[in-house]
Amino acid sequence: DAKTTQPTSMDCAEGRAANLPCNHSTISGNEYVYWYRQIHSQGPQYIIHGLKNNETNEMASLIITEDRKSSTLILPHATLRDTAVYYCIASRGATNKLIFGTGTLLAVQP
Amino acid sequence: DAGVTQSPTHLIKTRGQHVTLRCSPISGHKSVSWYQQVLGQGPQFIFQYYEKEERGRGNFPDRFSARQFPNYSSELNVNALLLGDSALYLCASTRMGKAPDTQYFGPGTRLTVL
Repeated sequence: DAKTTQPTSMDCAEGRAANLPCNHSTISGNEYVYWYRQIHSQGPQYIIHGLKNNETNEMASLIITEDRKSSTLILPHATLRDTAVYYCIASRGATNKLIFGTGTLLAVQP
Repeated sequence: DAGVTQSPTHLIKTRGQHVTLRCSPISGHKSVSWYQQVLGQGPQFIFQYYEKEERGRGNFPDRFSARQFPNYSSELNVNALLLGDSALYLCASTRMGKAPDTQYFGPGTRLTVL
């Protein structure tokens, strides 16, 4: 399973876009990039996943570089409720365990 | 539809005791995975079950065991509790349909071992 690297923490102003980077330079061709977030003491919440194309849903956008060695999760208009730890995970899918790192603590400031 | 449910929400046990945690997956989901999250760290994979069979096991001692029932619900059992077993125990369910599938997590059970 590919290891991912994320910054420990980031700040973002409320209403602005939050761009969370993730490096996964050893990702294999059949591994997807998954993003989850965890608000204090709650279960992780699924956000989005992608293989090589950019993806968008109602929560966020995922931009994956052409060489697939890195990606960026974009929250277009961050709110205070988006303050959480964000995890970037490389996984082959549901039959593969999710390997969580320490994630990025995103603090949205008023 | 209801999400993944776990019970109990909180639990306090003493060292050496045994504990059983329960998980009900999302309706229509056939696989359940268990994770342990100690304070300050990301969740760590313990088990995955699909159609009542163990499909994967993380690096945890034999004191940890699990099973899945015909209705796809699951139990995680931990024997001979140690102080280090204090953690948030998370259950995730997966439909196991067209790949890639997604794991959806429950709210967790907070276990405190005294």
